[in-house]
Amino acid sequence: AQTVTQSQPEMSVQEAETVTLSCTYDTSENNYYLFWYKQPPSRQMILVIRQEAYKQQNATENRFSVNFQKAAKSFSLKISDSQLGDTAMYFCAFMKHGGNAGGTSYGKLTFGQGTILTVHP
Amino acid sequence: GAVVSQHPSWVICKSGTSVKIECRSLDFQATTMFWYRQFPKQSLMLMATSNEGSKATYEQGVEKDKFLINHASLTLSTLTVTSAHPEDSSFYICSAILLWYEQFFGPGTRLTVL
Repeated sequence: AQTVTQSQPEMSVQEAETVTLSCTYDTSENNYYLFWYKQPPSRQMILVIRQEAYKQQNATENRFSVNFQKAAKSFSLKISDSQLGDTAMYFCAFMKHGGNAGGTSYGKLTFGQGTILTVHP
Repeated sequence: GAVVSQHPSWVICKSGTSVKIECRSLDFQATTMFWYRQFPKQSLMLMATSNEGSKATYEQGVEKDKFLINHASLTLSTLTVTSAHPEDSSFYICSAILLWYEQFFGPGTRLTVL
C-alpha cells in the first residue's frame, strides 16, 4: 500500500513571495504519477500539476513547479510570486501507473493530509 | 476542460431519511467514478469506486448498506445515504476518470443531518 505524508499542516506567505510545500511518499511501485491538487474555499478540487515518475525532468505550470526526488521519495511544490488566489488547501496525491478499467487500483488516488496555505497581502 | 457536476450542492435532511446525491460527467463518458467523504480541514477519504454496469467496490470500513452506489450509465453515478444520522453529516465529493491518469472532481455536496 502507498502512503503520502504532508508534514506541514499550515503555511503562510506574503503576496509575491515564494513558498514550498513538502510531500513525501512511500511505495514499492516503480511506475506511478504524483499530483498536487488545490482546494480553495469553494472546495472545488483543482489539479495544479502532475509528474510522471519515469520522467526525470521536474514538471512546471506557470508559477508552480515541483522538485521530484524519486530516490528520496520526495515531491515538493514551489509556488512563485504568490497571489491571494493561491490561498487554499493543497493536497499531494499518488497514483499507481496503469491498470484496466474496473481493476481494483485503476485511477485510485492516495492523498496526503493536506497543507492549508494562506497568502497575506 | 472536462466538467463534473454534483446535485444537490447542499442538502439538509431529518435523521432516519435517505438522501440521494448525483454525480454527472457533463462532456465525457466515465466508466469509473469515485466517491469521497471529507471533514473540515481534513483530507479526502475514498469511500468507494463506482464502475458502470457493475457493483461498486467499497473501501474497508465503509458500510455498503448505508452508502448505496449505483453507476447506471457512463455519465451518471449516484450515492444514496440510507437512514441518515447526524454522524453522516459531511462533505461528499465525486470524481470521474477521463483518462486513467486524469480525473475531474465535482464541486461537492454538503450534507447536514438534523
